[in-house]
Amino acid sequence: GAVVSQHPSRVICKSGTSVKIECRSLDFQATTMFWYRQFPKQSLMLMATSNEGSKATYEQGVEKDKFLINHASLTLSTLTVTSAHPEDSSFYICSASPGQGMSTLHFGNGTRLTVT
Amino acid sequence: AQSVTQLDSQVPVFEEAPVELRCNYSSSVSVYLFWYVQYPNQGLQLLLKYLSGSTLVESINGFEAEFNKSQTSFHLRKPSVHISDTAEYFCAVTPQGGKLIFGQGTELSVKP
Repeated sequence: GAVVSQHPSRVICKSGTSVKIECRSLDFQATTMFWYRQFPKQSLMLMATSNEGSKATYEQGVEKDKFLINHASLTLSTLTVTSAHPEDSSFYICSASPGQGMSTLHFGNGTRLTVT
Repeated sequence: AQSVTQLDSQVPVFEEAPVELRCNYSSSVSVYLFWYVQYPNQGLQLLLKYLSGSTLVESINGFEAEFNKSQTSFHLRKPSVHISDTAEYFCAVTPQGGKLIFGQGTELSVKP
């Protein structure tokens, strides 16, 4: 079945540095990928929609300059957390669909980011 | 706008007991409905979905959910749970072609 690979699974970084998270669709092309953030014991919050070849669409309240999204190919989207702070520590999950709409959405295994 | 409410944040049950995880939604348009399962420190795995047709949908590991339009519900059930079913379960809804909206999640804890 369709697989979405997310890397790294865990990352620890110092405050003020930047961290890049990759999301790859391994056996299908995805013109659209989605980035979610999940706080402990909470639900997933959509951060942004990543569109191949164009700018990402950010949800209200998400800082574009803080969370840079690049969707350079049909199989790769990256999320860069710039100038990370401890409050950016969270679980970040990407997802992608091989078809139109949300009926077949596949999720990566997530990235646990810890900012010290 | 759409919203999803999972009525129970935690559901503890004993192994081999039946379980029901409740999910209600609100929407002014037709929606697709999903249940996802999340194991610790992992992403989400699709458990089952309702797009159209039969209102009762089943997963390969014994879960089922029934779409009830009049009650705007999509409760998840399993007649006999296993220890391995311990996980977080998320109900989600999307207006056809729109964004996926998640409920708050229900932590299912199966005890021996």
